[in-house]
Amino acid sequence: AQSVTQLGSHVSVSEGALVLLRCNYSSSVPPYLFWYVQYPNQGLQLLLKYTTGATLVKGINGFEAEFKKSETSFHLTKPSAHMSDAAEYFCAVSRTPYGGSQGNLIFGKGTKLSVKP
Amino acid sequence: GAVVSQHPSRVICKSGTSVKIECRSLDFQATTMFWYRQFPKQSLMLMATSNEGSKATYEQGVEKDKFLINHASLTLSTLTVTSAHPEDSSFYICSASFLAGGGNEQFFGPGTRLTVL
Repeated sequence: AQSVTQLGSHVSVSEGALVLLRCNYSSSVPPYLFWYVQYPNQGLQLLLKYTTGATLVKGINGFEAEFKKSETSFHLTKPSAHMSDAAEYFCAVSRTPYGGSQGNLIFGKGTKLSVKP
Repeated sequence: GAVVSQHPSRVICKSGTSVKIECRSLDFQATTMFWYRQFPKQSLMLMATSNEGSKATYEQGVEKDKFLINHASLTLSTLTVTSAHPEDSSFYICSASFLAGGGNEQFFGPGTRLTVL
């Protein structure tokens, strides 16, 4: 079985500050890990994903995440927050690279990021 | 590219009525579509997976007679909530996927907020 825990339903940072959104997973098989972002009134958009290989994954909009197997974590970071980063962020795990028909995407509850000017 | 739309974005109905939600892939052909529901402050939960032209596969605990899914074309899937009750009030999200480089990345719609009075 697989599960995802996102620590903190709401994170608030100042513009220019470091963004750190935490995600821990549980998986009985090698996991594929994802971060999605959802802006108001829009669908979830893939930020980045870890499949195999390099454990530090870079995504769009300056975000990156590091897969740490020993800590079962996949935290999302961005060195300097921008006002446009305000959105809800979802971490997800799957048994397959895309969570497609062979393996469902299991989502965390989401973390709402607020950015203060 | 890879845009998925949902209609309506919000719907309010009386208990006992049926509601249909449409999910369309606007610029690609979706071989597979997924339906999720999200309760407040909860994770997205997969309800069913549908492939064009065949019957949907429902997740455990999801009533197939309650949530009717039709995927009659490569660009349209519909979810009908039959005899809706207040406990069916939720946020329903669809996603669509096509074969992309051998993978099945999911592209998400913006969601439909259903309120049953």
